[in-house]
Amino acid sequence: AQSVSQHNHHVILSEAASLELGCNYSYGGTVNLFWYVQYPGQHLQLLLKYFSGDPLVKGIKGFEAEFIKSKFSFNLRKPSVQWSDTAEYFCAVNGWGDDKIIFGKGTRLHILP
Amino acid sequence: DAGVIQSPRHEVTEMGQEVTLRCKPISGHDYLFWYRQTMMRGLELLIYFNNNVPIDDSGMPEDRFSAKMPNASFSTLKIQPSEPRDSAVYFCASSFGVLNTDTQYFGPGTRLTVL
Repeated sequence: AQSVSQHNHHVILSEAASLELGCNYSYGGTVNLFWYVQYPGQHLQLLLKYFSGDPLVKGIKGFEAEFIKSKFSFNLRKPSVQWSDTAEYFCAVNGWGDDKIIFGKGTRLHILP
Repeated sequence: DAGVIQSPRHEVTEMGQEVTLRCKPISGHDYLFWYRQTMMRGLELLIYFNNNVPIDDSGMPEDRFSAKMPNASFSTLKIQPSEPRDSAVYFCASSFGVLNTDTQYFGPGTRLTVL
């Protein structure tokens, strides 16, 4: 069965710090991978996605993620965070050809001004 | 496009009452998903539809939960009778085509509180 593990439940950083949020998935076949973001009081929005090709994926607002197949990982990174990045971040996996997305439990990111 | 629309945005009810949550997907989307978000369990898929037909309801917690999609522009999630442990944020999402090529778009959610 598919599963997604996000290692950090709550991360607190100061502005301009670098960010890396861990995500590992469990699935036996080809996968599509996603990061979604939920800003306070808002709905989930797609941050970036990996379907195929270059394993380094760039998304909106300066975020990027790297798919490392051998490690079953899809970590999210940003070199310099801003206060406006305060949100909850969800990693998700979809087995290729499957209709469903399985979400991780999320990481709450709090940026100190 | 207005995006995925959900109503109500907030619902407070008493244990034992029937609760109905509503969703209008993005026009033209043929997949509709219902999720539940709690602190303990994160974001869980409850059920999803393709072309108005329920495909997988294995995430529905128990018989008290039911979902329908009578047409391409409307779906309901009903809880009867409701219990305090049903308190959560319920999200609806829609997409066009399979996930290999498209993205799920989420609604703003319904925050349900069962007293």
